Amino acid sequence: EIVLTQSPGTLSLSPGERATLSCRASQTVSSIYLAWYQQKPGQAPRLLIYGASSRATGIPDRFSGSGSGTDFTLTISRLEPEDFAMYYCQQYGSSQGYTFGQGSKLEIK
Amino acid sequence: QVQIVQSGAEVKKPGASVKVSCKASGYTFSNYAMHWVRQAPGQRLEWMGWINAGNGNTKYSPKFQGRVTISRDTSASTAYMDLSSLRSEDTAVYYCARRGETGLDYWGQGTLVTVSS
Repeated sequence: EIVLTQSPGTLSLSPGERATLSCRASQTVSSIYLAWYQQKPGQAPRLLIYGASSRATGIPDRFSGSGSGTDFTLTISRLEPEDFAMYYCQQYGSSQGYTFGQGSKLEIK
Repeated sequence: QVQIVQSGAEVKKPGASVKVSCKASGYTFSNYAMHWVRQAPGQRLEWMGWINAGNGNTKYSPKFQGRVTISRDTSASTAYMDLSSLRSEDTAVYYCARRGETGLDYWGQGTLVTVSS
């Protein structure tokens, strides 16, 4: 089973700053099967990034994804107040199905 | 517009089963897969399985294999997730989500299942 490990667990930043979140896989992941989701308290997750680097419909261009192999990154270029939330990476492997990372919490400093 | 509406909260005793429904609208139900994901309090998202709404084929997470059954009723544009032999650790919010062209693009609002004696 592929395990996704996200870091940091919690990131404290101010609006306007840049956020960088990491997702490391225990085995090589095909980029086309790597996604990022945002989740706010009491809400369902929202798809942000698919195929490691493509923004989902309606996602602002301050969100970007990059990486390949076992290391992937979600970057938020200039934080807006509504960006403070939990972020999860997710991968799909044909034998095990989908797995999610443990999440990174982005909080206001 | 695409909407996915789940059934309401449930309280179950250990050993019982629960069946959560997920009604889709605004798109052709049989053209997309529906996935089920759960989230225990304060925990990560956990994928349970999915169903091809067109042909009914399913795939389950090894963790839930044997305990979960995902089904669908195409005439009602509704998917179902049945989880048996409930234990306290199954207390969680259960989500269904459509697998679109790019990922899990539309989600239900979640259904809280509480397992308690």
